[in-house]
Amino acid sequence: AQKVTQAQTEISVVEKEDVTLDCVYETRDTTYYLFWYKQPPSGELVFLIRRNSFDEQNEISGRYSWNFQKSTSSFNFTITASQVVDSAVYFCALSERVYNQGGKLIFGQGTELSVKP
Amino acid sequence: EAQVTQNPRYLITVTGKKLTVTCSQNMNHEYMSWYRQDPGLGLRQIYYSMNVEVTDKGDVPEGYKVSRKEKRNFPLILESPSPNQTSLYFCASGPGFLGAFFGQGTRLTVV
Repeated sequence: AQKVTQAQTEISVVEKEDVTLDCVYETRDTTYYLFWYKQPPSGELVFLIRRNSFDEQNEISGRYSWNFQKSTSSFNFTITASQVVDSAVYFCALSERVYNQGGKLIFGQGTELSVKP
Repeated sequence: EAQVTQNPRYLITVTGKKLTVTCSQNMNHEYMSWYRQDPGLGLRQIYYSMNVEVTDKGDVPEGYKVSRKEKRNFPLILESPSPNQTSLYFCASGPGFLGAFFGQGTRLTVV
């Protein structure tokens, strides 16, 4: 069965600390995409990154980096030198190719990150 | 600017009074869907559409209707809202399994 698990419900750090958000997934499919979304206090869902199942290269975008490891079915997200503006709920999501239902995204439960000054 | 636009952003209504939440996208996406977000339950798909006049149920369709008469629009209709439909609703559009872009969300309260 397809599933996304974000074991960390809440994380609290002090500004400038590095923080890693964990994501573990399960899928029957061999072709799939993984995503991270950010939900700030204002409520909208902001797309951060998409990775396909054939591309295990790590990606860096500014202070954000993502580590995709197929061997452990994980897609972890690291924020370097965190800032107060990073405070939000972060969702990891999975989209399967074959077993997909109308472009459905399967979301984890989210990790609430609080960055204190 | 590429976007998904939902209206209204906030809505308080009474039980049984029909309402429609509109959704429009300007990215020419074929796939559109509606999700609801509830504490402890996460984001769940309500309905989806793979093209004009093609819609189907998601995981939690009870109490909702949708229509897709034009590619850009995908309204969500609650014909007789009940308090258990109080939630944060998101419309999404995208290129199928390649992902989705979400609207700003509609916070609905049914009293």
